[in-house]
Amino acid sequence: AQTVTQSQPEMSVQEAETVTLSCTYDTSESNYYLFWYKQPPSRQMILVIRQEAYKQQNATENRFSVNFQKAAKSFSLKISDSQLGDTAMYFCAYDSNYQLIWGAGTKLIIKP
Amino acid sequence: KAGVTQTPRYLIKTRGQQVTLSCSPISGHRSVSWYQQTPGQGLQFLFEYFSETQRNKGNFPGRFSGRQFSNSRSEMNVSTLELGDSALYLCASSLEAGVNTEAFFGQGTRLTVV
Repeated sequence: AQTVTQSQPEMSVQEAETVTLSCTYDTSESNYYLFWYKQPPSRQMILVIRQEAYKQQNATENRFSVNFQKAAKSFSLKISDSQLGDTAMYFCAYDSNYQLIWGAGTKLIIKP
Repeated sequence: KAGVTQTPRYLIKTRGQQVTLSCSPISGHRSVSWYQQTPGQGLQFLFEYFSETQRNKGNFPGRFSGRQFSNSRSEMNVSTLELGDSALYLCASSLEAGVNTEAFFGQGTRLTVV
């Protein structure tokens, strides 16, 4: 069965710093999708970035980028120039058979 | 374009009762998925519907059921509520089959069982 592990329950950085959130996963499939979602205090889950496993190039969305290491089954999220609005829970998720399998989440706090 | 709408936003029920939660997907989206979020278990998949058919179901007891209507709106029902059913229930919709197309989430229904 597929599993997703986020080993950092909470992280805190100063505004404008760069922060990296870790995620590892386990699967026997060769083609799949990985996601990072953000859940602010409003509770609405928002897609941050998506990576297709067959693409070697790391996905980038403005200040957000991933380091996708397929062989190591690692999918970390880097947030550059962090902003106060980035404060939220961040979830790593794996796409499997019409469902998302989620990590436990990392609470990210951006300090002014 | 309106987002995913979940109703009600908050709900308090008593053990043993049943509850129905509603999800209206983004117009044109045909896939609706449901997730349960709790502090202890995190986010867990409940079920996914596409064109009124349940295509996948998570590891939840039969007390949890759902359906999808011809307009893609979906409902989930929990019967004989238990204290452990207290959770945030999230609904997500996507354009086509599978989550490898972007899933858009509603703000959730916070269910409290007392």
